[in-house]
Amino acid sequence: DAGVTQSPTHLIKTRGQQVTLRCSPKSGHDTVSWYQQALGQGPQFIFQYYEEEERQRGNFPDRFSGHQFPNYSSELNVNALLLGDSALYLCASSSEYQETQYFGPGTRLLVL
Amino acid sequence: AQTVTQSQPEMSVQEAETVTLSCTYDTSESDYYLFWYKQPPSRQMILVIRQEAYKQQNATENRFSVNFQKAAKSFSLKISDSQLGDAAMYFCARPHGGTSYGKLTFGQGTILTVHP
Repeated sequence: DAGVTQSPTHLIKTRGQQVTLRCSPKSGHDTVSWYQQALGQGPQFIFQYYEEEERQRGNFPDRFSGHQFPNYSSELNVNALLLGDSALYLCASSSEYQETQYFGPGTRLLVL
Repeated sequence: AQTVTQSQPEMSVQEAETVTLSCTYDTSESDYYLFWYKQPPSRQMILVIRQEAYKQQNATENRFSVNFQKAAKSFSLKISDSQLGDAAMYFCARPHGGTSYGKLTFGQGTILTVHP
């Protein structure tokens, strides 16, 4: 049983570019959440997807958008990248039928 | 704001000894979940232990146990027989909405160092 997977593992972009990060949830999970984690800090909630709809959103600008596909996998898109978007982006999957949220290994994004 | 607070930025312990990491939280919900996650240098976030607020019994997972004080809104993690592999950043987290799958609010984290 594969856990949560994310791709790519590392990414380098320049200011103003756009990036797409991908996440496949753990088998049996239908809910995907995205978090941004700056170095030395706790993760900050970006948004959560369930049934292909954004269910909750944190305090992030509209430059951050997402999508969930029928197979429950998800994408995080960030437009007009800023230096401050450099961080580890974590995906977590969950289900109302299971009592735990599991995280993927993350994508390290560096914006130059 | 519903917050999670970890007041110990850093802790250290000798191998084979016991250490306790503190966490307090704020909530208006009567039923909720609490999690402890471990994040080693690889930065993979690993679930250590979870507690359901409606359960009186403190959760235990091998060498890891919690001291859950609902009235005091306290949720500390005890690591017994500490091992070098326990060295990591530890985060206390609470999902919102009284469910296990709601958005997580994390504490600031505690860096645990294990000395041989």
